[in-house]
Amino acid sequence: DTGVSQDPRHKITKRGQNVTFRCDPISEHNRLYWYRQTLGQGPEFLTYFQNEAQLEKSRLLSDRFSAERPKGSFSTLEIQRTEQGDSAMYLCASSFPDTYTGELFFGEGSRLTVL
Amino acid sequence: AQTVTQSQPEMSVQEAETVTLSCTYDTSESDYYLFWYKQPPSRQMILVIRQEAYKQQNATENRFSVNFQKAAKSFSLKISDSQLGDAAMYFCAYRSASGNAGKSTFGDGTTLTVKP
Repeated sequence: DTGVSQDPRHKITKRGQNVTFRCDPISEHNRLYWYRQTLGQGPEFLTYFQNEAQLEKSRLLSDRFSAERPKGSFSTLEIQRTEQGDSAMYLCASSFPDTYTGELFFGEGSRLTVL
Repeated sequence: AQTVTQSQPEMSVQEAETVTLSCTYDTSESDYYLFWYKQPPSRQMILVIRQEAYKQQNATENRFSVNFQKAAKSFSLKISDSQLGDAAMYFCAYRSASGNAGKSTFGDGTTLTVKP
């Protein structure tokens, strides 16, 4: 297990289309996070899971966004009816639970371009 | 809500010199973690250094050290003997240590250029 992997790395889509991103966390980590990062900005929290339970969602996460983590392993982030403002890098990270240090281990991200 | 502010969008340093990146944060909590993450161009973000708020001693990791001033809510990163490979965007981050507080809050980053 070499780290957090994300797929696809790049996605170009037309406005109004649906897109789905997948994240495979480090296998020993039970927490999984989604962040969004636009150019020149820091990552913005979207949502996180502990095992299969979605524990927190940001108010940034509109109804067009949905995330799942079935069976507490990989996670998917779906964006429906994409808008140009959704263009960003979507970062996935995983971590040990609270009893550990809180360090996040990031994937390389999935870059979304909405035309 | 916690906020993290990095007031230096860009910094540059000469190779082998020392540079300090600034970070301030706002919180009403007493127990938390602070982090500096490094994001090289087109590569994944990685942890540089971590500080637990209950520890008075400043964290150090080889050439990287922090100046943690809890009362001032300041958390700066010092990079000594800068190397070309240190060129990256650096993000300061805050995370509560309480209960199910899962998310980390990030600043907007400082782009560090290292000049040969």
